[in-house]
Amino acid sequence: SQTIHQWPATLVQPVGSPLSLECTVEGTSNPNLYWYRQAAGRGLQLLFYSIGIDQISSEVPQNLSASRPQDRQFILSSKKLLLSDSGFYLCAWSPQGAYGYTFGSGTRLTVV
Amino acid sequence: GQSLEQPSEVTAVEGAIVQMNCTYQTSGFYGLSWYQQHDGGAPTFLSYNALDGLEETGRFSSFLSRSDSYGYLLLQELQMKDSASYFCAVREGTGGFKTIFGAGTRLFVKA
Repeated sequence: SQTIHQWPATLVQPVGSPLSLECTVEGTSNPNLYWYRQAAGRGLQLLFYSIGIDQISSEVPQNLSASRPQDRQFILSSKKLLLSDSGFYLCAWSPQGAYGYTFGSGTRLTVV
Repeated sequence: GQSLEQPSEVTAVEGAIVQMNCTYQTSGFYGLSWYQQHDGGAPTFLSYNALDGLEETGRFSSFLSRSDSYGYLLLQELQMKDSASYFCAVREGTGGFKTIFGAGTRLFVKA
């Protein structure tokens, strides 16, 4: 069966520090991968999506970037965090051509 | 531009039926999904409508009218555990690879 792993679960980082969040999917190949961010009590904002290795689309121009070094690995990064980067970061995957997403357990990031 | 509108809150009584609406304005519409999210947790997929009409899965039903850019999620026989946020989401964009979420409806189920 397919599983998605996302870590860490919580993170407190100072302003200006770098960020690296990792997401991996097991039990499938060539998944579509997604990064979303959710502010407290709000909906999900699509940040990046990837339909294949080195095929990444950015939805929001900001100080975040994403990479997909392996087929089932998706990494969200920042060189310098801002206070506004605080939020609940969710990784998700779907099979090619499918419509339902499976989300990871999320990373709650607080920038102080 | 893209927008999905959902009522912010709905309150209903245990055992009752509740309908949560969603209107959308997007480009390249492929389908409407619904997700449930409990406090502190990740969203979980509930249903998907690509064509007009009603889809039923147990106590949950989802409806879509593409001509009206409108859909709803219907929950029957409400239980306390149904208290959660419910998000509609539109699959759109070139190839349908993007899913855009609404702000969600917070459902409170009372005894």
